[in-house]
Amino acid sequence: AQKVTQAQTEISVVEKEDVTLDCVYETRDTTYYLFWYKQPPSGELVFLIRRNSFDEQNEISGRYSWNFQKSTSSFNFTITASQVVDSAVYFCALSGRSGGYNKLIFGAGTRLAVHP
Amino acid sequence: SAVISQKPSRDICQRGTSLTIQCQVDSQVTMMFWYRQQPGQSLTLIATANQGSEATYESGFVIDKFPISRPNLTFSTLTVSNMSPEDSSIYLCSAWTLGSGNTIYFGEGSWLTVV
Repeated sequence: AQKVTQAQTEISVVEKEDVTLDCVYETRDTTYYLFWYKQPPSGELVFLIRRNSFDEQNEISGRYSWNFQKSTSSFNFTITASQVVDSAVYFCALSGRSGGYNKLIFGAGTRLAVHP
Repeated sequence: SAVISQKPSRDICQRGTSLTIQCQVDSQVTMMFWYRQQPGQSLTLIATANQGSEATYESGFVIDKFPISRPNLTFSTLTVSNMSPEDSSIYLCSAWTLGSGNTIYFGEGSWLTVV
C-alpha cells in the first residue's frame, strides 16, 4: 500500500524564519514519484516540485529547498526566510507503478501561517 | 505546463439538485482526473476520465453519483448528482501528459457548498 504522512498539521512562524515541512512516505514500488504542492487560500493547487525515486539529489529553487532521503523515506521541504505570501497549505504526494504514475496519493497537508 | 480552467469556480447549491463542473485544458493531454477535497481535508481521487469511454472510479465513488464525461483530449465534465451537504467540497480537475516528465497539473478548483 502507498501512504504519505505529514505529521505537522499546522506550523506558525514569524516572517524571515526558516521552516521545514516534513513528509514521510510508504511504498513497495521501486520506481515512484514524489511531489509538493502549495494550496493558497484561493484554493488552487500550485505545483512546486516533482522528484523521481532514482534522483536523490537535493534541489534548491530560490528560497525553497527539498531534501529527499530514501534511507528514511522522507522528502522534506524547507522555506528559507519565510514571507507572509508563503502562508498556505502544503501537500506532499506520491505516485508509483502499482497505483499508476499519474494518480496521486496525498498527505493530509501542513497549514503554514507566516506572521509579519 | 498545461493551463487548466474550471467552471464554476464557486457555487451554492440546493440539496437534491445536481451540478456539472467543466474542466478545460489549453492543450491536448493524455489523461484527466477528478479529485475531491472536503473541508479541511486532503485530496482524494474520484475517478480517471477516459476519452470516449466510461470513467474509471476509485473505491467509494460510483458513476450514478459522479457521472463523468470526456468527449475529447482537452475537456471533461464532472456532475455531482442529488447533492447533500456532505458533498460540499472543492472539486479539482487534473491533467497528465505523456512526455511531461510525469508532472501533474491542477485546475483552480470548484468550491461547492450544498445547503
